[in-house]
Amino acid sequence: NAGVTQTPKFQVLKTGQSMTLQCAQDMNHEYMSWYRQDPGMGLRLIHYSVGAGITDQGEVPNGYNVSRSTTEDFPLRLLSAAPSQTSVYFCASSPRESTEAFFGQGTRLTVV
Amino acid sequence: GENVEQHPSTLSVQEGDSAVIKCTYSDSASNYFPWYKQELGKRPQLIIDIRSNVGEKKDQRIAVTLNKTAKHFSLHITETQPEDSAVYFCAASGSNFGNEKLTFGTGTRLTIIP
Repeated sequence: NAGVTQTPKFQVLKTGQSMTLQCAQDMNHEYMSWYRQDPGMGLRLIHYSVGAGITDQGEVPNGYNVSRSTTEDFPLRLLSAAPSQTSVYFCASSPRESTEAFFGQGTRLTVV
Repeated sequence: GENVEQHPSTLSVQEGDSAVIKCTYSDSASNYFPWYKQELGKRPQLIIDIRSNVGEKKDQRIAVTLNKTAKHFSLHITETQPEDSAVYFCAASGSNFGNEKLTFGTGTRLTIIP
């Protein structure tokens, strides 16, 4: 199993551009989540999903969209990138009734 | 929503000594409290967790304690080693199974001095 795979690992965007961060897991996990990590602020939940076709907002959802058409994939879309979205983004997945969330390796995004 | 505070933000201890990191949470409905370790440039990884029906859990040199009345929980690392140097995050969740929406603390950078 590859686990949780995020692409790309690094990305530089110009203000106003849009892009999609990809997240895929091959463990058949029901739950998937997106977090952003900023210095001194820990990890903050952006969006999450408890199954295919079901998504919900987390703590900091503004400027981001998600969809969950399959169990395996949970892409995060930046609609119009802003410098405030410069961050490291982590995707995580976990099976129902489990005690561990598995994180991807992260995507470092810089918006200039 | 839930709010998790974590202290201290940085901690330096001599190799072999113990380290303690403390967290408080605000939502009395939270029932799952994991701790994650993140090495420089790496992804967070679960090291230990505790559910609200348990007061203490231990795994070799690592232990977590939970005080539901006071709404705080702590990570204890004994006999610290250089490989324990990392950033540690506490988290809390009120979900039935606990993993899809975690609220994290701001992290503690632990440095083990040889």
